[in-house]
Amino acid sequence: RKEVEQDPGPFNVPEGATVAFNCTYSNSASQSFFWYRQDCRKEPKLLMSVYSSGNEDGRFTAQLNRASQYISLLIRDSKLSDSATYLCVVNRNTDKLIFGTGTRLQVFP
Amino acid sequence: NAGVTQTPKFQVLKTGQSMTLQCAQDMNHNSMYWYRQDPGMGLRLIYYSASEGTTDKGEVPNGYNVSRLNKREFSLRLESAAPSQTSVYFCASSDAGPAGTQYFGPGTRLTVL
Repeated sequence: RKEVEQDPGPFNVPEGATVAFNCTYSNSASQSFFWYRQDCRKEPKLLMSVYSSGNEDGRFTAQLNRASQYISLLIRDSKLSDSATYLCVVNRNTDKLIFGTGTRLQVFP
Repeated sequence: NAGVTQTPKFQVLKTGQSMTLQCAQDMNHNSMYWYRQDPGMGLRLIYYSASEGTTDKGEVPNGYNVSRLNKREFSLRLESAAPSQTSVYFCASSDAGPAGTQYFGPGTRLTVL
């Protein structure tokens, strides 16, 4: 079983829709959580960190459920430019990150 | 401020050839990393360097060596390339330990025939 698991998608949604991705992690010692975004044939870039109380950045909301060991990302009012692969990332309080395989989002007009 | 740079962008090798992938960062970060990304596998850590002068193995180190030349530069060497090493290679650097953001270079697309 992978340490970080994500539904690969693709999620195909129309512009303006709300879409949510979940990610589960297996190691309860995980301490830090992130969502990275990766555009096709580009490098990953940090989208947002995920805090225990949940956090919001514009149209993006991240939630953490430690009891069930999952992280979620909600995107409201989807834009064409949101089309990308979203990587769930966890850290066990070391210098090393564990990456999920990503969830692909395609927003259509 | 270029961030993280990698050379080359593309490379084709024959089985058994060697090559070095170069990475440099200008953000004064202590930690640097090499990953490979394969379809369906996600990013996997090959080697990392928590500070100048130190290197450690990651998840998939076999067939690779690294050198942390100075604080800015971290190179990855394939001594005898194999088709299984066909992949996209990303270098990254980080500013603040486990909670720090990792900044990635644009990647090197390597094909081994």
